[in-house]
Amino acid sequence: EAGVAQSPRYKIIEKRQSVAFWCNPISGHATLYWYQQILGQGPKLLIQFQNNGVVDDSQLPKDRFSAERLKGVDSTLKIQPAKLEDSAVYLCASSQMDRGPYEQYFGPGTRLTVT
Amino acid sequence: SQQGEEDPQALSIQEGENATMNCSYKTSINNLQWYRQNSGRGLVHLILIRSNEREKHSGRLRVTLDTSKKSSSLLITASRAADTASYFCAPKNTGFQKLVFGTGTRLLVSP
Repeated sequence: EAGVAQSPRYKIIEKRQSVAFWCNPISGHATLYWYQQILGQGPKLLIQFQNNGVVDDSQLPKDRFSAERLKGVDSTLKIQPAKLEDSAVYLCASSQMDRGPYEQYFGPGTRLTVT
Repeated sequence: SQQGEEDPQALSIQEGENATMNCSYKTSINNLQWYRQNSGRGLVHLILIRSNEREKHSGRLRVTLDTSKKSSSLLITASRAADTASYFCAPKNTGFQKLVFGTGTRLLVSP
């Protein structure tokens, strides 16, 4: 089966600019996650969707980050305006469900550099 | 949700040796998952062990779980250079509980 797709793979922007990332989860997966991974750290969950509803966005900096999952399939994560500390890899993952023993499948990530 | 803490932070071994890394957590869990991350393949799920299981095998991987000590271990036997990666444990409670990743164990396997 096809894996989780993400684009772009790399992005370089200047601070205060905006950027958007796209994710296409595995077909049929109800739950979609966006993580931020700063160099040397583990992934940190930014937002979790169950179908097209938000389950957890407690660690999403809502003044600058936004995410949507229209029609419960693809998702976009936007940063506006970007700050230097947003430089990180942004990972998208999906799972069949959130409840129960379902593993998460991760995409290759988007490496963002903010200069 | 809770975070697993991996130990050691870094581990360096020779090819053919076994590698053991540990994970500790604080509250009761439904299952515990191990993930691997390397530069070539990104973050990949390795194995899931449920709270009512004590040991699980998958190829060269062996995972143990001790719920009384709130700890788990991942053993990689006969390590290969391709096993070089960071390994993360993710304890999971029931319900809509997110996975919280620690800083991981960085494993370096030298030829």
